[in-house]
Amino acid sequence: EAGVAQSPRYKIIEKRQSVAFWCNPISGHATLYWYQQILGQGPKLLIQFQNNGVVDDSQLPKDRFSAERLKGVDSTLKIQPAKLEDSAVYLCASSPDEINYGYTFGSGTRLTVV
Amino acid sequence: AQSVAQPEDQVNVAEGNPLTVKCTYSVSGNPYLFWYVQYPNRGLQFLLKYITGDNLVKGSYGFEAEFNKSQTSFHLKKPSALVSDSALYFCAVRDPGTYKYIFGTGTRLKVLA
Repeated sequence: EAGVAQSPRYKIIEKRQSVAFWCNPISGHATLYWYQQILGQGPKLLIQFQNNGVVDDSQLPKDRFSAERLKGVDSTLKIQPAKLEDSAVYLCASSPDEINYGYTFGSGTRLTVV
Repeated sequence: AQSVAQPEDQVNVAEGNPLTVKCTYSVSGNPYLFWYVQYPNRGLQFLLKYITGDNLVKGSYGFEAEFNKSQTSFHLKKPSALVSDSALYFCAVRDPGTYKYIFGTGTRLKVLA
């Protein structure tokens, strides 16, 4: 079974620039999550999709972050404009059943804002 | 406030010795509890979960965890550590009220040969 694919692996941008991350979940997984993991901290949920609908985006900074999952499969997360404090690893995860199977995480995209 | 605490930033253990990685939580109601492992440059991998039932749950790679409701703890254990177990371990709890997952700050396990 292929895992959760994320790209790019690394990205360095200047503050106030925009950036986009891509995630392709495991085939058949209806639920997709984006997490932000700042160095030294645990992952923090940004947004949760169920198919192509948003279930929870309460912790997404909507003034600069946006995410979509148009066809209920892959997803993009965008930051515009980026701030220094956005430097983190952005993790995508998917699950067919988050209680019985937990999540499967991708390798993440490490963003550095300079 | 709902929270998860991993009191140790790093745990060192000799290969072949038993290991324990500690986790305590604070949520109202009956939580769902999880352990994940993160190897360098890899995503988090699901190890095990506690939903209900037997307080001792077994997971992947020989790991197990003990749920203790009175102490609000869910410590990760393994009887005999391997060098390959060296990684970053995260405890997580699903808040039964909001259904959100809350992750701890992680504990780096170093198994010495």
